[in-house]
Amino acid sequence: QQQVKQSPQSLIVQKGGISIINCAYENTAFDYFPWYQQFPGKGPALLIAIRPDVSEKKEGRFTISFNKSAKQFSLHIMDSQPGDSATYFCAAIVNSGYSTLTFGKGTMLLVSP
Amino acid sequence: NAGVTQTPKFQVLKTGQSMTLQCAQDMNHEYMSWYRQDPGMGLRLIHYSVGAGITDQGEVPNGYNVSRSTTEDFPLRLLSAAPSQTSVYFCASSYNVVRGHEQFFGPGTRLTVL
Repeated sequence: QQQVKQSPQSLIVQKGGISIINCAYENTAFDYFPWYQQFPGKGPALLIAIRPDVSEKKEGRFTISFNKSAKQFSLHIMDSQPGDSATYFCAAIVNSGYSTLTFGKGTMLLVSP
Repeated sequence: NAGVTQTPKFQVLKTGQSMTLQCAQDMNHEYMSWYRQDPGMGLRLIHYSVGAGITDQGEVPNGYNVSRSTTEDFPLRLLSAAPSQTSVYFCASSYNVVRGHEQFFGPGTRLTVL
C-alpha cells in the first residue's frame, strides 16, 4: 500500500518556468512533510519541509503548498534553472516517537536551457 | 566532518554470494537507516536503527541483515545475493528518530547481482 503518491513521474520545464510536483497522502497521522532533492550519482538531500499547521512555506525559489483537508501538498520551483534538474522526492512522517519516513516514488525534473 | 560514508561505491556479485555494505557516520547521530532505490520505485526502507544495539525492519527487509554495535557504524549484510537485489543502496542518519525527517544520506553503493 503506497501511502504517499507523487506525480508526475517526470517533468520537463523550460528555463525560467515554474515546476510543480504534487503529492497526496493517506495516513492522517502524518504531521511532517519534507522534500528531498537528488542529483545524479548522489544521495538525496533535504530541500525544504512543512508542518500541517501552515499552508505554505517558502525558501528562495522553492515553495511548499499544503492542503490538509485534501491531504495534498506540492512543491513549486519558481524561475526554474538547469541546475535544478534532479529527482525530487516528497515524503511524510509522524514526527514523534519512533517513526520512519515514507517516500513518494520520485519525480525526475529536467529544466531545458 | 565526513558526514555519512559508504563503501564500496560499486560492487558486482554472483548469485548466492554474500557481502557486507559498510556505512559510517561521524555526526553522533542516533538514528541510522538503509534504503534501496530502484527505478520507478522511489526509496524503500530496508532496516533501521534507533541506537546502538537496537534495530528494526523496514518495508523490504527480506534477504538483508543489520547490526548496530556502535553509534558510528551500521553495516548491511546480504546473506545470499539474488538478482532481485540489484539496486542502489543508500545509508542515512539523523540526529534522533523524532527528527527522522532530517536525514543525511550517504553517496550510495551501486550493486549488481548476476
